[in-house]
Amino acid sequence: DAGVIQSPRHEVTEMGQEVTLRCKPISGHDYLFWYRQTMMRGLELLIYFNNNVPIDDSGMPEDRFSAKMPNASFSTLKIQPSEPRDSAVYFCASSRMRANVLTFGAGSRLTVL
Amino acid sequence: DQQVKQNSPSLSVQEGRISILNCDYTNSMFDYFLWYKKYPAEGPTFLISISSIKDKNEDGRFTVFLNKSAKHLSLHIVPSQPGDSAVYFCAARTGTYKYIFGTGTRLKVLA
Repeated sequence: DAGVIQSPRHEVTEMGQEVTLRCKPISGHDYLFWYRQTMMRGLELLIYFNNNVPIDDSGMPEDRFSAKMPNASFSTLKIQPSEPRDSAVYFCASSRMRANVLTFGAGSRLTVL
Repeated sequence: DQQVKQNSPSLSVQEGRISILNCDYTNSMFDYFLWYKKYPAEGPTFLISISSIKDKNEDGRFTVFLNKSAKHLSLHIVPSQPGDSAVYFCAARTGTYKYIFGTGTRLKVLA
């Protein structure tokens, strides 16, 4: 298996622009998680899905952030409009129920100027 | 409200010695605990885990200890090797499969 695939690996954009981050989970995994890594808060959970349905989005910082999972093999995290404080590394992870482990993608480094 | 806390941002250890990384949590309903290791420009990778019904789990050089009464988790690495230099995250899972991570501890193993 190719693992969890995230794109783009790096994104540089200007404040106010829309940013879309993409994730392909491991086939057969029924949980998908979006995390943001910052120095202050470590790995911060933004939202997670079970069988394509959002279960908990309490970590989404503002209405500027939205996430979708239209099918079992694809998810997006969108920021509109982006701000410099959104600059961070965003990770996607997937899991199977009872597997007791998350598998992470390589991350998408976002820089908002 | 940081439910999982790693109070030491960094730790330096001599090669061959023991590394002890600590983690505290606040929610007594967590049912599973994990440690992840992260190298720069890579995603975190799973290292070792422990169920809340156990107090110790060992895998080679890595041992995780769980003290439920103190709500404290620790990772022991013996002996430490230069390749162990990385950021270590502890994580806790709720009954609804929500994984909450700490802020990380940067371990540097000195040759």
